[in-house]
Amino acid sequence: GAVVSQHPSWVICKSGTSVKIECRSLDFQATTMFWYRQFPKQSLMLMATSNEGSKATYEQGVEKDKFLINHASLTLSTLTVTSAHPEDSSFYICSATDSSGGDYNEQFFGPGTRLTVL
Amino acid sequence: GQNIDQPTEMTATEGAIVQINCTYQTSGFNGLFWYQQHAGEAPTFLSYNVLDGLEEKGRFSSFLSRSKGYSYLLLKELQMKDSASYLCAVMDSNYQLIWGAGTKLIIKP
Repeated sequence: GAVVSQHPSWVICKSGTSVKIECRSLDFQATTMFWYRQFPKQSLMLMATSNEGSKATYEQGVEKDKFLINHASLTLSTLTVTSAHPEDSSFYICSATDSSGGDYNEQFFGPGTRLTVL
Repeated sequence: GQNIDQPTEMTATEGAIVQINCTYQTSGFNGLFWYQQHAGEAPTFLSYNVLDGLEEKGRFSSFLSRSKGYSYLLLKELQMKDSASYLCAVMDSNYQLIWGAGTKLIIKP
């Protein structure tokens, strides 16, 4: 149980275009979803925390107008990278916590989405 | 500020034992996690400690000392597939995970 999927797994786009990444909890309801970014050889950097039905909370330094997050249901959150530029190329990972209370608020991670902006 | 420290890289031999240390300073403490991350993949959960002591799970064990702000992950009978990055993360008083930079473990035959 506790499976999180992400789509797409990888995407290549031209500079200036927008890219949407989906994060789904497949077998549990996720009140809270997290979006991370990871550059090569670096640790995870939390971008934002998303609660179902409310606005996402962004970390300092993350542009909310550039990284649009929508958490419309208990099983789906989306991250849209608007007007992507080469510096946005990174590994984007989502995670979710089980709203049923689960063990120790464990975050279950999706497989990640590798974004390359040309 | 909040800080998680762990070695950048470690090398060990197949079949041996390795200990990866993690020290932390956070605003509040609601548990410490260890995750394994293979290159190009998302992290996978290894262990969770919230009370002092040793938690053993097969070849992997995790230790916590809250008074010292210290944890370690112990890997026994190392296998080549254990080559990965190991991430230490602490859940703070807001139940937010604070991540270390990760320790890259290289296993040699």
